[in-house]
Amino acid sequence: EAGVTQFPSHSVIEKGQTVTLRCDPISGHDNLYWYRRVMGKEIKFLLHFVKESKQDESGMPNNRFLAERTGGTYSTLKVQPAELEDSGVYFCASSPSSYGYTFGSGTRLTVV
Amino acid sequence: GQQLNQSPQSMFIQEGEDVSMNCTSSSIFNTWLWYKQEPGEGPVLLIALYKAGELTSNGRLTAQFGITRKDSFLNISASIPSDVGIYFCAGHNSGGSNYKLTFGKGTLLTVNP
Repeated sequence: EAGVTQFPSHSVIEKGQTVTLRCDPISGHDNLYWYRRVMGKEIKFLLHFVKESKQDESGMPNNRFLAERTGGTYSTLKVQPAELEDSGVYFCASSPSSYGYTFGSGTRLTVV
Repeated sequence: GQQLNQSPQSMFIQEGEDVSMNCTSSSIFNTWLWYKQEPGEGPVLLIALYKAGELTSNGRLTAQFGITRKDSFLNISASIPSDVGIYFCAGHNSGGSNYKLTFGKGTLLTVNP
């Protein structure tokens, strides 16, 4: 079974640019999550999709972040315009229910 | 929001030593989880605990769900070099539509061979 795939693995962009992260969940997992870890801090919840609907987006930092999950399959997380404090590792995870999370390897975003 | 205090932040130990780390919370969770993250990878679930007082083992790893439901610990016995990584505790209040995990800041474990 393929795991959760994230692309790109690394991204270095300049402040003010736009970046789009992609996540392909495990096939059949209706639940998809985005988390972020800023250096040395905890992994923080950003949002939760059930199929194509946003179930909980209480962790999204501000309106520069936009997440979509068209058709209930893969998801994208766009940061526009990027700021320095957006640097960190962005993890995607999927699960068939409230249990059984599987995390992707993450996208390391560096904003310079 | 809910916060988990995880300690220690880092540990440097010799191969063969036992390791203990813990997490405390100001609020109750009904599930505690322990994850390990290796460089370039995402967190991988080690142990899940679902009942207060529960003690669960997975090989050399043992974790307990505190009876107050506000804390958990993870022990690793007879450490080996491949135990190196960041260990995260996470709390979860399953049920309803709340699926999100609350994580601690992690414990960075280094094992000297």
